[in-house]
Parts: sequence; structure tokens; C-alpha cells
Amino acid sequence: EAQVTQNPRYLITVTGKKLTVTCSQNMNHEYMSWYRQDPGLGLRQIYYSMNVEVTDKGDVPEGYKVSRKEKRNFPLILESPSPNQTSLYFCASSWSWEQGETEAFFGQGTRLTVV
Amino acid sequence: SQQGEEDPQALSIQEGENATMNCSYKTSINNLQWYRQNSGRGLVHLILIRSNEREKHSGRLRVTLDTSKKSSSLLITASRAADTASYFCATVRLGGSQGNLIFGKGTKLSVKP
Repeated sequence: EAQVTQNPRYLITVTGKKLTVTCSQNMNHEYMSWYRQDPGLGLRQIYYSMNVEVTDKGDVPEGYKVSRKEKRNFPLILESPSPNQTSLYFCASSWSWEQGETEAFFGQGTRLTVV
Repeated sequence: SQQGEEDPQALSIQEGENATMNCSYKTSINNLQWYRQNSGRGLVHLILIRSNEREKHSGRLRVTLDTSKKSSSLLITASRAADTASYFCATVRLGGSQGNLIFGKGTKLSVKP
């Protein structure tokens, strides 16, 4: 089954404790992205990757890191989480980098709480 | 930066009625996409309309695009309780890449049985 898998689904952590949210897709997609969703603010893009070893900042990259060492995986790293990073996070992937010609497939989300 | 803005923010209707949601955007685009999100879940792609298209249908969905007004509408006909969800429009700026898929804040649709 074609899917984007995020782990964990739920995470409660303490300020400053490094964490990684994993994202994996089985569709051989070139494009992968991370978004955060907050009430009243909609979805905002954190980082995206056009292909292996190619990543770029989205609209809200501060406090986050990403890497793309393999095509299927695109982990999101929070080196020193803070309470303002409490949010619902989504990973997405799509076939092509060609100007939005294809749909994006989303993971089920990771609800992160930083206390 | 927010590209699309949906209107209304919330919509409540009875089962069987039609639901219309609007999206306005700021810059020239190649295409516009609509997505649906059930509460707290991942987004699901509904339909894509290209900048040279004016109208597109998919089942009970009808999407229109007016590039001169920089706006799009999503019509769901004969709504069902299962259509209750949030609906988002998403655009890629002209000349931008799929990485720059920008979402609006969404319309929360509630369909009462």
C-alpha cells in the first residue's frame, strides 16, 4: 500500500531534549516536505527536499533540522525543543518537483508536546 | 507566508445541502489543489485544477478557477455527514517548485445529519 509513515504519532518531551521524528515513504517520490499545523495558522512549511542530499528552508525553519540521505526517508530533528514547538507535524511526499503538477501524499501526523 | 485564504472559516449545513468554499490567492500560479483533512489526521488530495482550466469535476466535487480574480471555489453537492472535515486550498507560485506548496488556513465544514 502506498503510504507516508511518520513515527511517533504522539510524543511528550521536555524542553531541551533532542528528538527526531521519522518519515518514510514507499512510493519512490523525489519530493518530501515537513509542515506544522497550529490552530488559526493553518499549515506552514518547515523544510522541503527535492531529492537526496538536496534540502531547503520553508517558511518556519527556525529550531528544526532535516536530512535526506536516502530517497525514502526524511527525518525532522529538533536539537533543543522549546514549548513553542508544540504542534501537529505532517510529513508529505510527491512525485515530481515540476511546479506542483502532482498531488502530495501526507502522513498521519505527529502530535508533539514540549513541556 | 500564506498564499491561499479560504472563506468562510467555518460552514455548517444540513445533510443533502450543497457546500461552497472559496479560496483567494495572491500570486500567479501554475495550478491550484484542494485537500481535505479529517480531524487531526493527514491531508488527502481531492482535486487539482490547472491555470488554463476554468472548471473541473470529480464525483460530487466541482472546482472552479478564476485566474483574473485569483480565486477558486470548491462545491460539494448533496453533502453527507461523512463530508464533515476541514478543506484546504494549496498553490505553487508560478516558477516555484513542488516544494513550495503553500496552504491556506482552511474551511471547517460541519454537515449535520
